[in-house]
Amino acid sequence: SQKIEQNSEALNIQEGKTATLTCNYTNYSPAYLQWYRQDPGRGPVFLLLIRENEKEKRKERLKVTFDTTLKQSLFHITASQPADSATYLCALDYGGGNKLTFGTGTQLKVEL
Amino acid sequence: DAGITQSPRHKVTETGTPVTLRCHQTENHRYMYWYRQDPGHGLRLIHYSYGVKDTDKGEVSDGYSVSRSKTEDFLLTLESATSSQTSVYFCAISESMDRGVTNYGYTFGSGTRLTVV
Repeated sequence: SQKIEQNSEALNIQEGKTATLTCNYTNYSPAYLQWYRQDPGRGPVFLLLIRENEKEKRKERLKVTFDTTLKQSLFHITASQPADSATYLCALDYGGGNKLTFGTGTQLKVEL
Repeated sequence: DAGITQSPRHKVTETGTPVTLRCHQTENHRYMYWYRQDPGHGLRLIHYSYGVKDTDKGEVSDGYSVSRSKTEDFLLTLESATSSQTSVYFCAISESMDRGVTNYGYTFGSGTRLTVV
């Protein structure tokens, strides 16, 4: 079965630095890969979507890359701020009903 | 979250009792999903619906049933709650399937924290 790996250890970085989060998967590549942000006690919030034929996608301070050869997606937050502190989830979409398979998430802490 | 609400937000119930969680949307989307979130497992799909009376199983459907009699409401029922069903339950809707292109992510509700004692 498909396995999605996100670093379970929290990532601590200083304000102003670039945060880079990793999402690795096994087996075959999804048609789409999505990233979500989740704050404590809240539901996940959609951030970005990237297709298998796209290498990179940007939205404001966010950048996502998708390497189907490495079976990996990287999620970057540039000029990070304490307000960026949250758990970030990656999700794979293989089509067929738009059902998403989620990773367990990586907690990001941005310190002053 | 705007357009999707879950009720109740918190519930404590006893083992063996039936429990129904409700998801209500005002966006008129065809596709709705129920996930559970547990430490170490992330979000796992329980059931989903692709229209009124059209539902299908997800990864962890045992012990759960769903119903969708109206576009706006998707109900999740635990027929006889067990302690292993203690979890946070999230409902989600998807705009992508309505438009036939996957440009949009899910919109999630705020979740229901269910404790089975």
